[in-house]
Amino acid sequence: GAGVSQSPSNKVTEKGKDVELRCDPISGHTALYWYRQSLGQGLEFLIYFQGNSAPDKSGLPSDRFSAERTGGSVSTLTIQRTQQEDSAVYLCASSQGQNQPQHFGDGTRLSIL
Amino acid sequence: GEDVEQSLFLSVREGDSSVINCTYTDSSSTYLYWYKQEPGAGLQLLTYIFSNMDMKQDQRLTVLLNKKDKHLSLRIADTQTGDSAIYFCAERDNQGGKLIFGQGTELSVKP
Repeated sequence: GAGVSQSPSNKVTEKGKDVELRCDPISGHTALYWYRQSLGQGLEFLIYFQGNSAPDKSGLPSDRFSAERTGGSVSTLTIQRTQQEDSAVYLCASSQGQNQPQHFGDGTRLSIL
Repeated sequence: GEDVEQSLFLSVREGDSSVINCTYTDSSSTYLYWYKQEPGAGLQLLTYIFSNMDMKQDQRLTVLLNKKDKHLSLRIADTQTGDSAIYFCAERDNQGGKLIFGQGTELSVKP
């Protein structure tokens, strides 16, 4: 069956531009997570959506970062006014519920010039 | 706060067993996970263990959990060159669903 799908797989952009990263979770999964993987910081939690509840935004590093999940399915992570330190791999995961194992997509590799 | 620690590198010969170790700090964690990451790919869920278990076996993989010492290990029997990857240990945050990851252990399997 289809796994978690992320697009684009690679994104190169200039400092100061806005970027949007997309995540398509596994069908029927109610929970969706965004993580960031960078050389210096390892794997960090960013934001978590569970059903219709208010998202847990506690991991977002600054107010330049935001995320939406429309219709309980697809999610978009937006980074405004990108900085070089935003360069990382952004990973999305989904699970059937909060207590179920998380399944990851292949990530979006973001490079800020 | 919660913290998960792993050694960074492990090198073994093909056919030997590999043991990757992990320590965690949150004694209330209910689930602990092992993920595998190959170059350029996302995280592949290998196995997980519930905190009321001591051991879980799944084909070549054996997970051991020592709750008293907050120590988790992953044993890979008959390690193959295809097992070369980075292995991440993770605990589930007890306040919500997020995972807290270790730094990852790079496993190198030599023929």
